[in-house]
Amino acid sequence: GAVVSQHPSWVICKSGTSVKIECRSLDFQATTMFWYRQFPKQSLMLMATSNEGSKATYEQGVEKDKFLINHASLTLSTLTVTSAHPEDSSFYICSAGSGTSSYEQYFGPGTRLTVT
Amino acid sequence: GQNIDQPTEMTATEGAIVQINCTYQTSGFNGLFWYQQHAGEAPTFLSYNVLDGLEEKGRFSSFLSRSKGYSYLLLKELQMKDSASYLCAVKPNDYKLSFGAGTTVTVRA
Repeated sequence: GAVVSQHPSWVICKSGTSVKIECRSLDFQATTMFWYRQFPKQSLMLMATSNEGSKATYEQGVEKDKFLINHASLTLSTLTVTSAHPEDSSFYICSAGSGTSSYEQYFGPGTRLTVT
Repeated sequence: GQNIDQPTEMTATEGAIVQINCTYQTSGFNGLFWYQQHAGEAPTFLSYNVLDGLEEKGRFSSFLSRSKGYSYLLLKELQMKDSASYLCAVKPNDYKLSFGAGTTVTVRA
């Protein structure tokens, strides 16, 4: 089956620093990757959609300069949280699809970010 | 915006049946998904409905009525490991998913 990995699985950083989270599709080419954020006991909120080789499309209310997304290859997308603050502490999950015709997204295991 | 509603919590006994309802009002409709999510883990795919009717997969079944904007997930022969959050998600008119807030199911012995 389709496998998506994320690294790191958890990270603790100090306020003001930047953190990079990687999302990889291990056994398929992901033309589209999605980044979600999930606060405790809440559902997944889509942050942005990234397509390989082009700029990411951000959802309303998500700061593109704070959450930098790069989708440089068909198997790797990265999310960088810049100048992190405690309110950015959350569970970040990526998912990947093999194309717009595919109805299924494959989710990564998530990254728990804690900003102190 | 997209509006997807599901109950917050449900409790059931091991071996019983639980039905989780989901109603939606979205700008378009290109399929409805159910995901299972255990605490601290990513969602795992359970079912996909794009046409009206019932889809059965072992102990899990999902139903869709597009005219009513309604779906349900039916869990039969509940097991302790089924304790989790169940997310209803709709694909409005492209490949993005809009998620409901999730229903936390607690299975008791």
